Amino acid sequence: AQSVTQPDIHITVSEGASLELRCNYSYGATPYLFWYVQSPGQGLQLLLKYFSGDTLVQGIKGFEAEFKRSQSSFNLRKPSVHWSDAAEYFCAVGGSARQLTFGSGTQLTVLP
Amino acid sequence: DAGVIQSPRHEVTEMGQEVTLRCKPISGHNSLFWYRQTMMRGLELLIYFNNNVPIDDSGMPEDRFSAKMPNASFSTLKIQPSEPRDSAVYFCASSPRPSLAQKPYNEQFFGPGTRLTVL
Repeated sequence: AQSVTQPDIHITVSEGASLELRCNYSYGATPYLFWYVQSPGQGLQLLLKYFSGDTLVQGIKGFEAEFKRSQSSFNLRKPSVHWSDAAEYFCAVGGSARQLTFGSGTQLTVLP
Repeated sequence: DAGVIQSPRHEVTEMGQEVTLRCKPISGHNSLFWYRQTMMRGLELLIYFNNNVPIDDSGMPEDRFSAKMPNASFSTLKIQPSEPRDSAVYFCASSPRPSLAQKPYNEQFFGPGTRLTVL
């Protein structure tokens, strides 16, 4: 069975600081990996995705993520956080089936 | 493209009443997913359809919940009778046909959600 762990429930960073959100997955084959962002009162929006090729993927809003097979990780990064990045972030894993398995989310607070 | 459309955006009802949530997926998408999000349980997959056929309803909490997809452009999630513990945000998401999409095929596009409050 596939699973996703986001070990950090809540992260606080100052505006302009760098950010890394952790995601570990469990999947028996090559996974498809996703990061979604949810702003308050909104649905989930796709930030980026990985399925093969270059292990460093670029997404929208200046985010990137790196797939590390040896560590079963797909951490999300941003070099300089903006106040508008405050939101909840979800990592998800999928495979040949249509459904995705989502992590429990990491709430990001950005201090001025 | 209008994206996934959900209605109503907010619903307040009393315990015991029937609640119907509606979803219109993105045109051309052939998979549809219903999720429930709460503080306690996070994001839970309730049921998903492929080509209008329910594939996995193991996440439906109990018989009070039912979902239908009569055609490719419409789905409903019904709760009858509703209970206070059903209060949550309900999301609908859709995925494109693999033949028309780039990999990974299971990218999901989410609607804005329906916030349900059962008093």
